[in-house]
Amino acid sequence: DAGVIQSPRHEVTEMGQEVTLRCKPISGHDYLFWYRQTMMRGLELLIYFNNNVPIDDSGMPEDRFSAKMPNASFSTLKIQPSEPRDSAVYFCASSPTSGRAFFNEQFFGPGTRLTVL
Amino acid sequence: RKEVEQDPGPFNVPEGATVAFNCTYSNSASQSFFWYRQDCRKEPKLLMSVYSSGNEDGRFTAQLNRASQYISLLIRDSKLSDSATYLCAVKSNFGNEKLTFGTGTRLTIIP
Repeated sequence: DAGVIQSPRHEVTEMGQEVTLRCKPISGHDYLFWYRQTMMRGLELLIYFNNNVPIDDSGMPEDRFSAKMPNASFSTLKIQPSEPRDSAVYFCASSPTSGRAFFNEQFFGPGTRLTVL
Repeated sequence: RKEVEQDPGPFNVPEGATVAFNCTYSNSASQSFFWYRQDCRKEPKLLMSVYSSGNEDGRFTAQLNRASQYISLLIRDSKLSDSATYLCAVKSNFGNEKLTFGTGTRLTIIP
């Protein structure tokens, strides 16, 4: 069974450009999460969806960031305009709804390494 | 104070030794606790959940101390393949799936 799929794996862009990151969660998973990881701040949750609906976007840094989940098998994270401080690894993760609600495992994709010059 | 704090290390430990890490959390209402493992330039993967009574999985033992608000991970008979960064994660609110991660503890097992 395929895991979480992210594309692109690497992205290099110039300041001011729009960046779109894509994620396909594991089939059947109800939750989708977007994280950002940097050396300075570690792994931070940006936003998560439940059944395609955004539930908690308190981690989205500012209006330049937006995320959508148009259907159960696809989500995007968009940065417009991008800035050098957005350089990080962006992970998408998904998890199922199970009987052990407190201990639902999150499965991470391989990440997108973003560099903004 | 950060919500979840870990000693970043690095911990350099000889093969076969026992090593332990702690992770403190600030929200006393936190519900669930986890240890994730992250290899260099890879994604985090769940190592083990941490149950109130403590739990063991092979060479790995996780403990929760609610009174002092920390969780711990003990690795016995360490292997070279245990070299990785270990992230603790905390889920604070019932009904909210948000995980807050520590910045990780880097472990290197030395031959």
